Amino acid sequence: EAEVAQSPRYKITEKSQAVAFWCDPISGHATLYWYRQILGQGPELLVQFQDESVVDDSQLPKDRFSAERLKGVDSTLKIQPAELGDSAMYLCASSWTSGGGYHGELFFGEGSRLTVL
Amino acid sequence: TQLLEQSPQFLSIQEGENLTVYCNSSSVFSSLQWYRQEPGEGPVLLVTVVTGGEVKKLKRLTFQFGDARKDSSLHITAAQPGDTGLYLCAGALGSGSRLTFGEGTQLTVNP
Repeated sequence: EAEVAQSPRYKITEKSQAVAFWCDPISGHATLYWYRQILGQGPELLVQFQDESVVDDSQLPKDRFSAERLKGVDSTLKIQPAELGDSAMYLCASSWTSGGGYHGELFFGEGSRLTVL
Repeated sequence: TQLLEQSPQFLSIQEGENLTVYCNSSSVFSSLQWYRQEPGEGPVLLVTVVTGGEVKKLKRLTFQFGDARKDSSLHITAAQPGDTGLYLCAGALGSGSRLTFGEGTQLTVNP
């Protein structure tokens, strides 16, 4: 069964350091999402890609976060410099192109757990 | 303020009991989804509802979308320990718009 792959699974870093997360979506999924989830809360959308283009990054803290999906397949989310408040689970998800009046199913990876010390 | 308010935030029950969790908003959604998330994993879709008043059943789970498409409920009959998890509702305001998640209901079913 096809899955969304994410790495690393866990990352511990000190504040002010740079950190990067990688995501490989399900083959053929044009839409890719990065969500941030604080423990016990719902996921918050950081950025949404349609192929290689950003379609929504309104909630991305652009002074320290960046995301790219250069060839419209896998994606990288970077944080530089990391702050204590960035400690969270970073979830990647993919879907077929949403449309037809309703939102398609999101397939999530297992996430990357970030701890900033 | 949250676009989607879920209640209760936490629920701990005994095996065999019934329960209902709620997802409410002042906004009208084109579609609403329910996901379940287990510790250390990503959310997994349970159901998508698109029509006001729609009721969908998935084994012991019954999902209802409000007539005005502003709210939804999830009812579980005869809960089992395997139902334990974080239940998340997520709504889209229109076709192609962002999917926004609620804060979730953390359900614990004790044997």
